[in-house]
Amino acid sequence: DSGVTQTPKHLITATGQRVTLRCSPRSGDLSVYWYQQSLDQGLQFLIQYYNGEERAKGNILERFSAQQFPDLHSELNLSSLELGDSALYFCASSVGYTHPQYFGPGTRLLVL
Amino acid sequence: AQTVTQSQPEMSVQEAETVTLSCTYDTSESDYYLFWYKQPPSRQMILVIRQEAYKQQNATENRFSVNFQKAAKSFSLKISDSQLGDAAMYFCAYRSAEATDSWGKLQFGAGTQVVVTP
Repeated sequence: DSGVTQTPKHLITATGQRVTLRCSPRSGDLSVYWYQQSLDQGLQFLIQYYNGEERAKGNILERFSAQQFPDLHSELNLSSLELGDSALYFCASSVGYTHPQYFGPGTRLLVL
Repeated sequence: AQTVTQSQPEMSVQEAETVTLSCTYDTSESDYYLFWYKQPPSRQMILVIRQEAYKQQNATENRFSVNFQKAAKSFSLKISDSQLGDAAMYFCAYRSAEATDSWGKLQFGAGTQVVVTP
């Protein structure tokens, strides 16, 4: 157990819908990262927050957004969902930039 | 942009034997971190080992060790005394140590599936 929690574990929804994925980092970790793992794209970095502020952005679609709250938990919002958004979404956390990232168990999203 | 290449889609090893997974990367940076992550069938991403580019000594964690060749931009993982529980997908990852827009980002390779046979 990495200490990073993600909810829900599984999510099944329809095209055009909006979902919210939640992540609680390890105690003491200020950085939260979101990654997407799909069969065709592999593991891709989406976005990073540090102590409530966005710090780095990767291949994140405009339909996706995220935020980190004062209690340091983070949410990833996915809207206008398409079939191709079906993937495993990971949250990871670290103490800071130079520290290793520890991953949560992931949220498996299926868009039908 | 940095790229990470894992050229072996799958490697097979017998229990108690040794297997080496290869990873090469492309970067113009001098300071960075390299990682190996393991993803078993549960899909959980587990950190196996970490190497700082400025350290010449190769990292070791129990049965896992790396061979870091900075000039060759190579970072291989050796699993010794393989066990059935080592069966998983292994990902090599790169992270910059320089303060850029993508400072914290992990760049992953495509992965190598390790199959362990009794």
